Amino acid sequence: ETGVTQSPTHLIKTRGQQVTLRCSSQSGHNTVSWYQQALGQGPQFIFQYYREEENGRGNFPPRFSGLQFPNYSSELNVNALELDDSALYLCASSPTGVGSYNSPLHFGNGTRLTVT
Amino acid sequence: DAKTTQPNSMESNEEEPVHLPCNHSTISGTDYIHWYRQLPSQGPEYVIHGLTSNVNNRMASLAIAEDRKSSTLILHRATLRDAAVYYCIPESLYNFNKFYFGSGTKLNVKP
Repeated sequence: ETGVTQSPTHLIKTRGQQVTLRCSSQSGHNTVSWYQQALGQGPQFIFQYYREEENGRGNFPPRFSGLQFPNYSSELNVNALELDDSALYLCASSPTGVGSYNSPLHFGNGTRLTVT
Repeated sequence: DAKTTQPNSMESNEEEPVHLPCNHSTISGTDYIHWYRQLPSQGPEYVIHGLTSNVNNRMASLAIAEDRKSSTLILHRATLRDAAVYYCIPESLYNFNKFYFGSGTKLNVKP
């Protein structure tokens, strides 16, 4: 089985710009989540998508948005970048959806975003 | 969501067992306990999870206290490849698949 892949691996942007990060989930995984991991900290939940609709959001402002596509790919978009947005962004997929739980998440290796 | 407390760091010798503790005193009766680890420059990796009874898999064992307020991840023979940050994460039935990570325990394995 193919794993979760993310692109690009590294990215440098300027404050105020917009960025799109991409993720390709494992085939058959209809739930995708995005996490932000600042240096030295644990990952923080941004939001989750299930069947192309947002299904829960953590404590992140609306300038963080996402899309999920029928082909198991997804995007994380961040508008009006701030210096504090510099972090590792992780995508995770799982085969479960609404109505079941305790299924392991499969993480990609992330995109390292630097905002200058 | 339940909060967790883990030691910031632990050290082990190679080929010796390692017991990584986690306190989750506010856990609810339907919360699963998950353990993930994160190797340097990689995303988190699933290790094991359980609800009430002890669990074993090829990677590790999970011992859950009878009152479920704490759990211990057991690596039976640590290898250098086990050096990572280990996260204990309760998963709520009402927020399933949405994991709230703490700071984890950084495990150092000495040869």
